[in-house]
Amino acid sequence: ETGVTQTPRHLVMGMTNKKSLKCEQHLGHNAMYWYKQSAKKPLELMFVYNFKEQTENNSVPSRFSPECPNSSHLFLHLHTLQPEDSALYLCASSQGQRGAVDNEQFFGPGTRLTVL
Amino acid sequence: DQQVKQNSPSLSVQEGRISILNCDYTNSMFDYFLWYKKYPAEGPTFLISISSIKDKNEDGRFTVFLNKSAKHLSLHIVPSQPGDSAVYFCAARTDYGGSQGNLIFGKGTKLSVKP
Repeated sequence: ETGVTQTPRHLVMGMTNKKSLKCEQHLGHNAMYWYKQSAKKPLELMFVYNFKEQTENNSVPSRFSPECPNSSHLFLHLHTLQPEDSALYLCASSQGQRGAVDNEQFFGPGTRLTVL
Repeated sequence: DQQVKQNSPSLSVQEGRISILNCDYTNSMFDYFLWYKKYPAEGPTFLISISSIKDKNEDGRFTVFLNKSAKHLSLHIVPSQPGDSAVYFCAARTDYGGSQGNLIFGKGTKLSVKP
């Protein structure tokens, strides 16, 4: 596997279910991101992890819970979601530098989530 | 309130002609701009970028122009090819405050290049 992978690619869940999205990067990067893309809206940044520490939580509801056990893996735990949470969830990674700014982010293919 | 705007949701161009995709922004603190390309069922892939200290950056068939006074950038593709058909996202970055390196994206423009 190369680049950034995401599983599952498609997920349908009920509002009472608990599920997790997984992201893995094989690029040796230190920063990982979760984005949400809803229909006809821009990509919205949700969470940022840099060197396994969460550095950004963009006012995301607590029914979304991220986890970054190491620099290569990022999870998004989902529970009691709402139908309006249906969207494409994209993971990205970047080099990540302490005290400096990255330029380029590499994206995974996304998980298409449908909440019934 | 969108900080990065791509006002054209779609663009159709004939093969061999120039494609011009536009992007406007409102935040004068943005210091770096990127264009991403996205095919269906794939994640966005980085295409080209430009620093705010430059007004042009060229990479093969792709050129990005930045007009800071107008807070406007554009992506030129010439000549356009059918394989360029995709959604193009403009993104901007700022390194002020606590959001180092975070990207703000536009809604995207769907480019269709017809043979």
